[in-house]
Amino acid sequence: DTGVSQDPRHKITKRGQNVTFRCDPISEHNRLYWYRQTLGQGPEFLTYFQNEAQLEKSRLLSDRFSAERPKGSFSTLEIQRTEQGDSAMYLCAGGQGNQPQHFGDGTRLSIL
Amino acid sequence: QKEVEQNSGPLSVPEGAIASLNCTYSDRGSQSFFWYRQYSGKSPELIMFIYSNGDKEDGRFTAQLNKASQYVSLLIRDSQPSDSATYLCAVVTGNQFYFGTGTSLTVIP
Repeated sequence: DTGVSQDPRHKITKRGQNVTFRCDPISEHNRLYWYRQTLGQGPEFLTYFQNEAQLEKSRLLSDRFSAERPKGSFSTLEIQRTEQGDSAMYLCAGGQGNQPQHFGDGTRLSIL
Repeated sequence: QKEVEQNSGPLSVPEGAIASLNCTYSDRGSQSFFWYRQYSGKSPELIMFIYSNGDKEDGRFTAQLNKASQYVSLLIRDSQPSDSATYLCAVVTGNQFYFGTGTSLTVIP
């Protein structure tokens, strides 16, 4: 158990709907990362937070994606106007500095 | 050019053999290197990390780093069927973690 929890585990929604995922790292994780992973690929970086500050965001991330970490603890990732291509596993990872990251179980998103 | 390259496999080894997994990276400034194991449908699980040139051993696992050649490898000794999974190499450059596409390993009983 890495101590990183994600909710929900699975989300099925219709194209065009908005979805929000939550990640709760352990208190020692000053860094929090969001990744997207599709079948046969490695995790693809989306964004990361140092405490409550969003320090970097992938150039591949469209403006339909937004993430927050309001108090430097839990984080949310929202996708607006979902598209078929958004179907993937969304992974959250927590860590300290450049120390190893520890992943949550992920949220599997399916767009109908 | 991708930041991290791995042979996607599949790699098959008999039970008890040594499995050798390789990874190359493009940025000479990369400073931290990790190996994760991922079972089908599950999230990545940390196995090893290495920061300095040379070998680092932990149980049946050995990570090897050669910064001059920009090469990191993972050896699994006495491979077990439970080691069958995809192995992801991750490299830290700046503040970002870059992952390879993973190598699929099958250990045949």
